[in-house]
Amino acid sequence: SQTIHQWPATLVQPVGSPLSLECTVEGTSNPNLYWYRQAAGRGLQLLFYSVGIGQISSEVPQNLSASRPQDRQFILSSKKLLLSDSGFYLCAWSVPGGTIYFGEGSWLTVV
Amino acid sequence: AQSVTQLGSHVSVSEGALVLLRCNYSSSVPPYLFWYVQYPNQGLQLLLKYTSAATLVKGINGFEAEFKKSETSFHLTKPSAHMSDAAEYFCAVRGTDKLIFGTGTRLQVFP
Repeated sequence: SQTIHQWPATLVQPVGSPLSLECTVEGTSNPNLYWYRQAAGRGLQLLFYSVGIGQISSEVPQNLSASRPQDRQFILSSKKLLLSDSGFYLCAWSVPGGTIYFGEGSWLTVV
Repeated sequence: AQSVTQLGSHVSVSEGALVLLRCNYSSSVPPYLFWYVQYPNQGLQLLLKYTSAATLVKGINGFEAEFKKSETSFHLTKPSAHMSDAAEYFCAVRGTDKLIFGTGTRLQVFP
């Protein structure tokens, strides 16, 4: 069966520091991969999605970037965090055209 | 472009009462629709999905939803609420390679 892992689960970072959140999927090949953000009291915002290695689509201009160095690995990064980057970050995967399944999420607090 | 609107950011019911969470969609093509549940500090879990088969869809934990094209609705119901149903619920419609979420409805269940 397929599983998705993302880490770290919780992160407290100072303003201006870098960020790296990692996500891996097991048990499938060539999945679509997604990063969503959920800010406090708000819904889910799609940040990036990828349909293949090195292919990244950005939904919202922002301080973050994403990379897909391997088929089942998706990384969310920032060079310099802002206070507004705080939130709950969710990685997700799907087969093309299929149901989207989510990881357990990563809490980021920028202080 | 596809979109969903969830009516009511908060819904409160008594234990044993009917749960009704409302979702209306907009789509230029036959939609694929989803309901997800999010328990505190966790990722999203798929409750049920509509993919153009039966209009009444049964999901996990006793929830079901009915697709009504004439009303562009996909409301989520459960005949009898349980304390463990307290969570946030998200309606979503599938766009090209991604899910578009509503803003969520927080369900409170009182004893």
